[in-house]
Amino acid sequence: DSGVTQTPKHLITATGQRVTLRCSPRSGDLSVYWYQQSLDQGLQFLIHYYNGEERAKGNILERFSAQQFPDLHSELNLSSLELGDSALYFCASSVGNVGNTIYFGEGSWLTVV
Amino acid sequence: GQQLNQSPQSMFIQEGEDVSMNCTSSSIFNTWLWYKQDPGEGPVLLIALYKAGELTSNGRLTAQFGITRKDSFLNISASIPSDVGIYFCAGQDNTGKLIFGQGTTLQVKP
Repeated sequence: DSGVTQTPKHLITATGQRVTLRCSPRSGDLSVYWYQQSLDQGLQFLIHYYNGEERAKGNILERFSAQQFPDLHSELNLSSLELGDSALYFCASSVGNVGNTIYFGEGSWLTVV
Repeated sequence: GQQLNQSPQSMFIQEGEDVSMNCTSSSIFNTWLWYKQDPGEGPVLLIALYKAGELTSNGRLTAQFGITRKDSFLNISASIPSDVGIYFCAGQDNTGKLIFGQGTTLQVKP
């Protein structure tokens, strides 16, 4: 158990819908990262927050947004869902901003039908 | 998206054999991390490397941070069936972003 908690573990939804994925980082960690893993793209970086502020953005679609709250948990919002958004979405956390070990949660399986 | 070049893509070995995999990049990284992922689960951290030239061991695993900061290798000695899985290298840049290799799928024959 990495200490990073993600909910829900599995989610099935229809195209055009909106979902919210939730992440609680390890106790004491200030950084939260979101990654998308699909069969043909591997692990792709989406976005990084440190202590509530956005620090880096990857190839995150405009239909996706994220935020980190004052209690340091984070949410990833996915809207106008398409079939191609079906993937495993991972949250990871670390103590600092850079140069720290990054621990991953078990992921949220999203299936868009 | 941006990725590291990880090789080999897959390996099928006999139990007891040693395994070696590596990652190279055109970019310099400040940190190299090695993860193992089982199907449907999150990547589990194996080894973290923070300094160029650093050689670190974790049980039967040994990893090194290349002196140029553009490469890293992972060795597994005396493989066992539970070593089966996908191994990923990841380099962290100075924004904190972690870039992953494509993964090495390891299969071990008892």
